[in-house]
Amino acid sequence: NAGVTQTPKFQVLKTGQSMTLQCAQDMNHEYMSWYRQDPGMGLRLIHYSVGAGITDQGEVPNGYNVSRSTTEDFPLRLLSAAPSQTSVYFCASSRTSGNTGELFFGEGSRLTVL
Amino acid sequence: KQEVTQIPAALSVPEGENLVLNCSFTDSAIYNLQWFRQDPGKGLTSLLLIQSSQREQTSGRLNASLDKSSGRSTLYIAASQPGDSATYLCAVIDGTASKLTFGTGTRLQVTL
Repeated sequence: NAGVTQTPKFQVLKTGQSMTLQCAQDMNHEYMSWYRQDPGMGLRLIHYSVGAGITDQGEVPNGYNVSRSTTEDFPLRLLSAAPSQTSVYFCASSRTSGNTGELFFGEGSRLTVL
Repeated sequence: KQEVTQIPAALSVPEGENLVLNCSFTDSAIYNLQWFRQDPGKGLTSLLLIQSSQREQTSGRLNASLDKSSGRSTLYIAASQPGDSATYLCAVIDGTASKLTFGTGTRLQVTL
């Protein structure tokens, strides 16, 4: 099983550029989410989705956009990259419709904004 | 606001030693608690999930306990091995099952 797949693994952007981080899961999970991980700050929730067509904001949503057109895919869009968005981004999914079951993580996307 | 603390931030033990990792949380109204392992440059791997109604969960050499009233969970690793070297994170889901809060982790090194 592929599990949760994130692309790209590494990306360097210039300030103001836009890009999309891709996340796909093949476990038919209803719940999907995006986190960012920064040194000393732990993981913080950016956006999440409880099913296709439904998204909501997490703790740090500013500067990011998401959509969920299919159960499998949950892309994260950076609208105008800023150096403060330099981070490691993780996508996670869970079988249950709420955020209550075991979470499965992708391997991360390391983003540097210059 | 829920706050999750893990102490110590780093720990080094010789191979074969039994060890305990600690996780504390400020709001005891949680739905469940999950322990993860993260290897350098990798994602998080789920180790154990404890529902709020449970007191412990076991998987192989790992045992996690939960004391909601005191806001604490421990992860016990028996007979540690060099392959156990990683960062261990705990995360709690609040009582409404809407928000997951992570601790900052304990970096474990098991030496030969």
